[in-house]
Amino acid sequence: ETGVTQTPRHLVMGMTNKKSLKCEQHLGHNAMYWYKQSAKKPLELMFVYSLEERVENNSVPSRFSPECPNSSHLFLHLHTLQPEDSALYLCASSQDWLTDTQYFGPGTRLTVL
Amino acid sequence: GESVGLHLPTLSVQEGDNSIINCAYSNSASDYFIWYKQESGKGPQFIIDIRSNMDKRQGQRVTVLLNKTVKHLSLQIAATQPGDSAVYFCAEKETSGSRLTFGEGTQLTVNP
Repeated sequence: ETGVTQTPRHLVMGMTNKKSLKCEQHLGHNAMYWYKQSAKKPLELMFVYSLEERVENNSVPSRFSPECPNSSHLFLHLHTLQPEDSALYLCASSQDWLTDTQYFGPGTRLTVL
Repeated sequence: GESVGLHLPTLSVQEGDNSIINCAYSNSASDYFIWYKQESGKGPQFIIDIRSNMDKRQGQRVTVLLNKTVKHLSLQIAATQPGDSAVYFCAEKETSGSRLTFGEGTQLTVNP
């Protein structure tokens, strides 16, 4: 596989569930990102990891917990979410944290019941 | 605060026509700009970028124009095809910064 992949592509969960989103990049990049995309709103940056270190945490509620075990993988652990958290969650990567071009995965469509 | 926005939320064109999608930005320190295309059910796809030392950059059937005086960016698509139907949004960044700021997007619909 090439590029940035995300699993699952669709996820429905209750407010008491715990689930995880997975992202993998096959581009040899050093930086990875989580974004939230809600209907008719610009992309919202959630987290940035550079060389497995978190370099930005954009005031995201603690019910979202990122994990970056290595430079190719990024997870977003979800617990006790709210219905307003329903959105498309996008993962992206770039060569380095300050490199301009980010490449996106297909996203995970999350629905919280 | 800084923002990047698009002038029109929707644009409908006939197949074969040229399309122009506009973007206004407010951060005068931004010096790097990207256009992304997002098809339904997919993630954003990089189309073309431009740095502030340029006014124009061309790709395959696409051209990006940058007017720094009025802080305006446009994406021109030549001979628009049905496969071009998607949401297009711009993003801007300061080279010295780490964050891309995204606009809201324009839905382009190409009618056969």
